[in-house]
Amino acid sequence: KAGVTQTPRYLIKTRGQQVTLSCSPISGHRSVSWYQQTPGQGLQFLFEYFSETQRNKGNFPGRFSGRQFSNSRSEMNVSTLELGDSALYLCASRSGLENTEAFFGQGTRLTVV
Amino acid sequence: AQTVTQSQPEMSVQEAETVTLSCTYDTSENNYYLFWYKQPPSRQMILVIRQEAYKQQNATENRFSVNFQKAAKSFSLKISDSQLGDTAMYFCAFMRLNFGNEKLTFGTGTRLTIIP
Repeated sequence: KAGVTQTPRYLIKTRGQQVTLSCSPISGHRSVSWYQQTPGQGLQFLFEYFSETQRNKGNFPGRFSGRQFSNSRSEMNVSTLELGDSALYLCASRSGLENTEAFFGQGTRLTVV
Repeated sequence: AQTVTQSQPEMSVQEAETVTLSCTYDTSENNYYLFWYKQPPSRQMILVIRQEAYKQQNATENRFSVNFQKAAKSFSLKISDSQLGDTAMYFCAFMRLNFGNEKLTFGTGTRLTIIP
């Protein structure tokens, strides 16, 4: 069974641009969560999607948004990029809401210059 | 809000020795899970072990075991017979069971180095 796949692995963007990151969960998993990892703030929850609906959102500005498709794949979008958005963005999938085990992808390293 | 504290930023131990990583947390919830995740240089977070708060018995997974002290809100990880492949960042994490809010709250991590 394939694991959680995140694309691309690396991205370099300029301040003010927007970026879209993709996450394909493990087959059959319907919950997808996104986390931001930075040296200063550590790992912080962004949002979770289940059956194409956002269930939960972390404390991030509206520039951070996401969506989930009918095949459970999820995308995360960051608009008007700032230098502070440079981070490792991790995606995690769970089979269902009752299952607490989250499987993570290898992340997308975003650098904003 | 829940908080998770890992007070050991870095640790190192000789191969084959035993090491214990500390974690404390703060919550007013009764129904929750605690986790230890490992993040090697490949960056992928890997679940090491999971503990349900309502279970008094400490979880074990091969060389990994926890010491869960619910009243003290302490959740330490013991790695026995440490191996070079155990070198990684280790994160303690908390998840409360509340429909619509099962996010993971992480500690700041402990960088563990196994010395050959």
